[in-house]
Amino acid sequence: EDKVVQSPLSLVVHEGDTVTLNCSYEVTNFRSLLWYKQEKKAPTFLFMLTSSGIEKKSGRLSSILDKKELFSILNITATQTGDSAIYLCAVPMYSGGGADGLTFGKGTHLIIQP
Amino acid sequence: EAQVTQNPRYLITVTGKKLTVTCSQNMNHEYMSWYRQDPGLGLRQIYYSMNVEVTDKGDVPEGYKVSRKEKRNFPLILESPSPNQTSLYFCASRKGLAGSNEQFFGPGTRLTVL
Repeated sequence: EDKVVQSPLSLVVHEGDTVTLNCSYEVTNFRSLLWYKQEKKAPTFLFMLTSSGIEKKSGRLSSILDKKELFSILNITATQTGDSAIYLCAVPMYSGGGADGLTFGKGTHLIIQP
Repeated sequence: EAQVTQNPRYLITVTGKKLTVTCSQNMNHEYMSWYRQDPGLGLRQIYYSMNVEVTDKGDVPEGYKVSRKEKRNFPLILESPSPNQTSLYFCASRKGLAGSNEQFFGPGTRLTVL
């Protein structure tokens, strides 16, 4: 059975700290991994990773994929209170002719304290 | 503006009273999907559709129906809602069938079944 596991499930840090969120996966026909940020509304897309070892970066956020060890990390440096959110990792599922949907991890609930 | 819309955003209903949650996208996306999000369980796929008149079950389809008569609309139907269907529901869409494409999420519908 395909699965995506995120850790930690919850994390509380102070503003300015750096955090690392983890996502491991066991998925047949792996092709890509996606990170989403969810505040008090719908998930919004952050990164899509397809190649191992290539870092994707957007401001203070960065992410990297390790296809050999089957995991990805999401780093946030110099955290701000606006980074408080649930961070979701997702992997597309494949069967037949196309992708059926996304298997999501349970998310990491990140709280940044001032 | 490119978006996925859902209606209603909030709904409180009683057991057994049929309801429909609408989902519409204006991006001409082929793929649409419904998820439910529950504490401790994360996002789970209910149904998805690869194109008009093509729908398939996701991980948790019991108690739900969908239809895809037009490309832009993908309503979720609860014929006889039960309290265990109290949840936060998200509709999502993406262009094409390749799982590496980003999914766009609607704003969510919070459903309470008494």
